Amino acid sequence: GAGVSQSPSNKVTEKGKDVELRCDPISGHTALYWYRQSLGQGLEFLIYFQGNSAPDKSGLPSDRFSAERTGGSVSTLTIQRTQQEDSAVYLCASSLGGALDQPQHFGDGTRLSIL
Amino acid sequence: TQLLEQSPQFLSIQEGENLTVYCNSSSVFSSLQWYRQEPGEGPVLLVTVVTGGEVKKLKRLTFQFGDARKDSSLHITAAQPGDTGLYLCAFNSHGSGNTGKLIFGQGTTLQVKP
Repeated sequence: GAGVSQSPSNKVTEKGKDVELRCDPISGHTALYWYRQSLGQGLEFLIYFQGNSAPDKSGLPSDRFSAERTGGSVSTLTIQRTQQEDSAVYLCASSLGGALDQPQHFGDGTRLSIL
Repeated sequence: TQLLEQSPQFLSIQEGENLTVYCNSSSVFSSLQWYRQEPGEGPVLLVTVVTGGEVKKLKRLTFQFGDARKDSSLHITAAQPGDTGLYLCAFNSHGSGNTGKLIFGQGTTLQVKP
């Protein structure tokens, strides 16, 4: 399909392990966002990439969280030394540009469970 | 403190009934967006309202932006089971470099029973 693709769809791991979540944005979309959705906190912004600009990391909850976007396309969100409170659905979105009027298209998310 | 307060949090109704969900804030917004999210899927944009007092219709869904641009409502007429889902309001927050990161309300979970 032509939508935002995320993998894996589900991930179960033990506390303390590192995890990598992948996002393939819609082809041609220069802006890419990561959000986290949990029962207690709702849907929260994590990080934003736009072209070659420095990413907006203002939503990352701790230094255990990092993200990369290689070649202006695929992005990977990495969580090191996972904790139980990291359990959530991690959603990726992309848009044609970073302007406020560009609609964001979301993937179906990765459901992360920390045992 | 939530910038966007949505109410009610949960709503369970019978097919054919009408309903309204609300999105309120003490802040003024240049625009507000409404999304619907179904289980196991990402949110899908329904509408963006921009002008105070604006009313937009999408089939049986009517969206209104308050005159003061601090609140919005979503009214569904003759709800159907296919309307079941999580309804989220959101606004674009000006991050660094004027980025379009979204700030969401907590959502209203709607269940429409056949």
